[in-house]
Amino acid sequence: RKEVEQDPGPFNVPEGATVAFNCTYSNSASQSFFWYRQDCRKEPKLLMSVYSSGNEDGRFTAQLNRASQYISLLIRDSKLSDSATYLCVVTSYGQNFVFGPGTRLSVLP
Amino acid sequence: DTGVSQNPRHKITKRGQNVTFRCDPISEHNRLYWYRQTLGQGPEFLTYFQNEAQLEKSRLLSDRFSAERPKGSFSTLEIQRTEQGDSAMYLCASSLSGQGVPYEQYFGPGTRLTVT
Repeated sequence: RKEVEQDPGPFNVPEGATVAFNCTYSNSASQSFFWYRQDCRKEPKLLMSVYSSGNEDGRFTAQLNRASQYISLLIRDSKLSDSATYLCVVTSYGQNFVFGPGTRLSVLP
Repeated sequence: DTGVSQNPRHKITKRGQNVTFRCDPISEHNRLYWYRQTLGQGPEFLTYFQNEAQLEKSRLLSDRFSAERPKGSFSTLEIQRTEQGDSAMYLCASSLSGQGVPYEQYFGPGTRLTVT
């Protein structure tokens, strides 16, 4: 089993739709969690950190369920510019960052 | 520009040649990471430094790969005797860390290596 797994995608949604991505991780000692966004042929860019209590940044909401070792990202009112690959990232105390394979999102006009 | 920079951005080399890539992190960041990414995959960890100390190396990092960060600032990644399977995007990232807990990483634009 891979350390970090994500919905395989791709997700093709119309503008204005709400879409949710899921991510599971295998290391129960994991401490810090992030969502990164990566555009085609570009470097990953931090979208948001994921906190235990859940957090929201505009149209984006991230949630963490430690008991189930599961992280989610919800995007409301999708825009064309949201089209990208979304990477789930997990790390533990003193350990390196482990990236999931990514979920590709295409928002269609 | 105060972000992470990488040079060169593209490198085409023949199999068997050696290549070296450079990464300049965000100046106040004490951690520096190297990753490799191939099409359709997430970045795969190669190695990381805290200041000048190389703290971890992935099993992916064969003996042909070596990385240095001699003064705790910029870092170099060298690949000796390149193979076609080394073709990938090589990404560098930097971050702060405190009490061993890593903060979010910021990535450079990457060096795309093509081995012919």
